[in-house]
Amino acid sequence: QKEVEQDPGPLSVPEGAIVSLNCTYSNSAFQYFMWYRQYSRKGPELLMYTYSSGNKEDGRFTAQVDKSSKYISLFIRDSQPSDSATYLCAMSAPNNDMRFGAGTRLTVKP
Amino acid sequence: DTEVTQTPKHLVMGMTNKKSLKCEQHMGHRAMYWYKQKAKKPPELMFVYSYEKLSINESVPSRFSPECPNSSLLNLHLHALQPEDSALYLCASSQDWRDLDTDTQYFGPGTRLTVL
Repeated sequence: QKEVEQDPGPLSVPEGAIVSLNCTYSNSAFQYFMWYRQYSRKGPELLMYTYSSGNKEDGRFTAQVDKSSKYISLFIRDSQPSDSATYLCAMSAPNNDMRFGAGTRLTVKP
Repeated sequence: DTEVTQTPKHLVMGMTNKKSLKCEQHMGHRAMYWYKQKAKKPPELMFVYSYEKLSINESVPSRFSPECPNSSLLNLHLHALQPEDSALYLCASSQDWRDLDTDTQYFGPGTRLTVL
């Protein structure tokens, strides 16, 4: 079993929709949870960073971590065509080694 | 097999050493990537290989030398590194990189490099 599982999609939604992206993990030592956005031919950029469980909101983006279920989510409200990208979840344990999900390709259609 | 593997997991080297990082995938992907990630920063793209040819070199110092011996393997040769080169080095692969539908990257676990 992989340490981090993420459905690669692709996921296509109409403009204005709420997008839900998810990852599951198996390593209970993970404490830091990140979501990266990667546009085509670019390196990933950090979107959200959460420590331990709970919710974090930043504009149209909300990150949720449920450590009891080993499940993390990223919600995008009022999605825009400019949100079209690959979204990668990543997580790390205190020794800072990071594990990435496979990434979910999102397309938001005007 | 949807996995990108990297060896070694950890590497400690002196500034005069020569070492190599290895990356392997068996997904039939024809694009492979090297990234460098410093703590609490997003990964920075270093090199992109497409069909075993170097397609992108993001102005990386020559002390980092990539090599793609075949479509499944990607190496990063290290020589005369500096302490500031200490970082997590990530490898990734994608089906292709020229097409938006095929450039989703799969990341390996990374090699934690420490330069003394």
